[in-house]
Amino acid sequence: DGGITQSPKYLFRKEGQNVTLSCEQNLNHDAMYWYRQDPGQGLRLIYYSQIVNDFQKGDIAEGYSVSREKKESFPLTVTSAQKNPTAFYLCASSIWPSGGGNEQFFGPGTRLTVL
Amino acid sequence: DAKTTQPNSMESNEEEPVHLPCNHSTISGTDYIHWYRQLPSQGPEYVIHGLTSNVNNRMASLAIAEDRKSSTLILHRATLRDAAVYYCILVLLFGNEKLTFGTGTRLTIIP
Repeated sequence: DGGITQSPKYLFRKEGQNVTLSCEQNLNHDAMYWYRQDPGQGLRLIYYSQIVNDFQKGDIAEGYSVSREKKESFPLTVTSAQKNPTAFYLCASSIWPSGGGNEQFFGPGTRLTVL
Repeated sequence: DAKTTQPNSMESNEEEPVHLPCNHSTISGTDYIHWYRQLPSQGPEYVIHGLTSNVNNRMASLAIAEDRKSSTLILHRATLRDAAVYYCILVLLFGNEKLTFGTGTRLTIIP
């Protein structure tokens, strides 16, 4: 079955440590996205990538980094510079160029807790 | 970005139709209306989208006002599995690198 996988589902880290969240898709989509969701809030865009080896900052990119070495993979690193990293992280993908007529497909999410 | 306004919460009885409203008075001619829903502790799931005409799919129907300033997501026969947060989002015709999610409508289904 085609889809998006994120791992792990739950992640605990100590304050000051960098942590990398995995996102893989087998939908052959060009575009991939990372969102952050805080309790009771909507999603906010962290980074997105339209093509391999290229990515753009979203609204809240500070303290995060990404890479896009393969079409299928878009890992997100939460660095120690991110002041409040505890959140639910969602990865998504879509056809590109997408336009308003195409939907984004979301993974199951990773819940990161920094102790 | 054009914004949408939704009620914070709604309740509906199981097996009855549900009408979820969304206001988007500043919508532009090139904005599509998308609906997503999110079950607890899961990623959002696409439900339906439309531009001007009403749309139907296996999950729901989307009724769009003639002036496009409002729309309604219709679940024809709610089940307990439909309990979720429903988001109404405007997406540009060209380029949707960002989906701007508000806080959505939390739908509770009463058995």
